[in-house]
Amino acid sequence: GQNIDQPTEMTATEGAIVQINCTYQTSGFNGLFWYQQHAGEAPTFLSYNVLDGLEEKGRFSSFLSRSKGYSYLLLKELQMKDSASYLCAVRPGGYQKVTFGTGTKLQVIP
Amino acid sequence: EAGVVQSPRYKIIEKKQPVAFWCNPISGHNTLYWYRQNLGQGPELLIRYENEEAVDDSQLPKDRFSAERLKGVDSTLKIQPAELGDSAVYLCASSLGAGSTEAFFGQGTRLTVV
Repeated sequence: GQNIDQPTEMTATEGAIVQINCTYQTSGFNGLFWYQQHAGEAPTFLSYNVLDGLEEKGRFSSFLSRSKGYSYLLLKELQMKDSASYLCAVRPGGYQKVTFGTGTKLQVIP
Repeated sequence: EAGVVQSPRYKIIEKKQPVAFWCNPISGHNTLYWYRQNLGQGPELLIRYENEEAVDDSQLPKDRFSAERLKGVDSTLKIQPAELGDSAVYLCASSLGAGSTEAFFGQGTRLTVV
C-alpha cells in the first residue's frame, strides 16, 4: 500500500520562509508531486521531483530524498495569497495511480 | 486555451436520487481522471481513462457509480442512487498521457446529498 504523511496545518508570517514536509512509504517510486489548492478551487501543479536534490522555481523550491522517503516544499518571501493547502502526491511506479496525501493547510498571517 | 471544464459547479440532491457530472478535458489530452475529494482530505482516484478505455477503476464503487468517456474526449460520471456519504467534491483532471508529469484539474463539482 501507499502511505503519505504531511502536517495538517501550519502558520507562518508574511515575508518569512516556511518548509512543508512530506514523508512517504510506497511500493516503488517514480516521482513526487506538489500541488497547491486554494479553498474551493482545483489543485494546481507546483513541482515534480524524480531525482534526489533541490529544484528551485521562483519563490518555491522542492527537495527530494528517495533513500529517506522524504520531500519538502520550501516557500520563500511568503505572501498572503500563499495561504492554501499544499498537497504532496506520489507516483509509485510506471503508470500506477498517483496517491495524494491529506494536504497541509498553510495560513499566512501579517 | 481553455482548461479542464466541469459542470455543474454545485449540486444539491436528496439521497436515493441520481446525479451526473460532466467533464471536458484539455484538447489533445489522452488521459482523463476522476477524483473524489472529501473535506480536509487529498483527492482520491476513482477512475482513469486512456482515450476511451477505463484502465484503472479499482476504487470506483461499481454498485452505484458509473463512468463513460465516449469517443475519448468528454466524460460523464454518474451516481445512482446517491447516498449521504457521497457528499464531496468530484474533480476531473487530464494529462497528455499516463506518464505525464503534470495533470491539470478542473474546478470540480461540489455535491451535497441531503
